[in-house]
Amino acid sequence: GAGVSQSPSNKVTEKGKDVELRCDPISGHTALYWYRQRLGQGLEFLIYFQGNSAPDKSGLPSDRFSAERTGESVSTLTIQRTQQEDSAVYLCASSLSSGNQPQHFGDGTRLSIL
Amino acid sequence: DAKTTQPNSMESNEEEPVHLPCNHSTISGTDYIHWYRQLPSQGPEYVIHGLTSNVNNRMASLAIAEDRKSSTLILHRATLRDAAVYYCILRNTGKLIFGQGTTLQVKP
Repeated sequence: GAGVSQSPSNKVTEKGKDVELRCDPISGHTALYWYRQRLGQGLEFLIYFQGNSAPDKSGLPSDRFSAERTGESVSTLTIQRTQQEDSAVYLCASSLSSGNQPQHFGDGTRLSIL
Repeated sequence: DAKTTQPNSMESNEEEPVHLPCNHSTISGTDYIHWYRQLPSQGPEYVIHGLTSNVNNRMASLAIAEDRKSSTLILHRATLRDAAVYYCILRNTGKLIFGQGTTLQVKP
């Protein structure tokens, strides 16, 4: 079946612009996660959604970052007034629930801020 | 979140078993031990997880020490496609907290 789909796969933008990254989770997965991976580093947790519960936003690095999810479907991660330090691969994952179910990752969006 | 310690890198020969260690001396009773791996230019991939008992699946085996302060991921026959960064993660909530992992090189 279809896995987690992220778009765009690559995004280059100028410093100060806003960007929106999209994630389509696996159908039926109630939990959705966003992570960031800077070049040569491990993944950093950003935010996760579980059903209709309030999202866990504890990993968002600043108020320039926000995310939304409509029901149990698509999610968008928005970065306002981008800075060069926002350059990274942004990865989305989904799972059947937020317990110990395995997370299934997309291949990420590579964001480059000029 | 409790921390894990893994070697930065390991090498293996193709078709030989590989034992990837992980120390987690501050693990709590509700923490599950999860392993993910990340191949170059891809998102992470789930490998296996367990709580107290050893676990086997089609990809690997997980051996958990009796005191749960360490665990070992076992790849029974390494292939070149197993070259990746392997992450050992303690999890008791939804999110995963990744460390630096172990970079596994597999030599032909």
